[in-house]
Amino acid sequence: DIQMTQSPSSLSASIGDRVTITCRASQSITSYLNWYQQKPGKAPKLIIYAASSLQSGVPSRFSGSGSGTDFTLTISSLQPEDFATYYCQQTYSTPTFGQGTRLEIK
Amino acid sequence: QVQLVQSGSELKKAGASVNVSCRASGYTFSSYAVNWVRQAPGQGLEWMGWINTYTGNPTYAQGFTGRFVFSLDTSVTTAYLQINSLKPEDTAVYYCARDVIAPTDTWFDPWGQGTLVTVSS
Repeated sequence: DIQMTQSPSSLSASIGDRVTITCRASQSITSYLNWYQQKPGKAPKLIIYAASSLQSGVPSRFSGSGSGTDFTLTISSLQPEDFATYYCQQTYSTPTFGQGTRLEIK
Repeated sequence: QVQLVQSGSELKKAGASVNVSCRASGYTFSSYAVNWVRQAPGQGLEWMGWINTYTGNPTYAQGFTGRFVFSLDTSVTTAYLQINSLKPEDTAVYYCARDVIAPTDTWFDPWGQGTLVTVSS
């Protein structure tokens, strides 16, 4: 299976900060990379697909980039509703998820 | 709107079986596969496998063969996850998620709200 490694595992930030989360695949996955946001007690929600495409209805402060093995999720200006756990997922082969990045309020 | 609605929480004893349902609405059920994902308490997301809603053929991830069964009832656009011989370590939230396939990617959207299965010893 392809291993997905996210960093950092947790992150403290303030409202208005620019935040970047990285995700590295153990082999090339071209652009088969998705990002999900999960709030406590809720189901994951798709925010970015195909590495850089913004899901409909998701605020434009979210963006994704990368291809091959290295990917990033950027939130340009943190809002209160963005504090959550974020997961990357590869679907190039048998789907696997990163371990998650917990984004907390500083 | 496109929606997946799952059945409610379950409390079971070890050795019993449980059936989790996932009812789809707002789209053509047979055109999109359904995935199942497990999330143990305080842990990350683990893909369990998927079921082809056109053929009914299931595919199980490693670690989810034997006791786990995916099935369908297309007449009510519902997918099912059955877990047999439950163990305390099966305690988790189980999600269904629609599989969306595009030329350069595949993603899961939307997800069901999750079903908590608690297994007591």
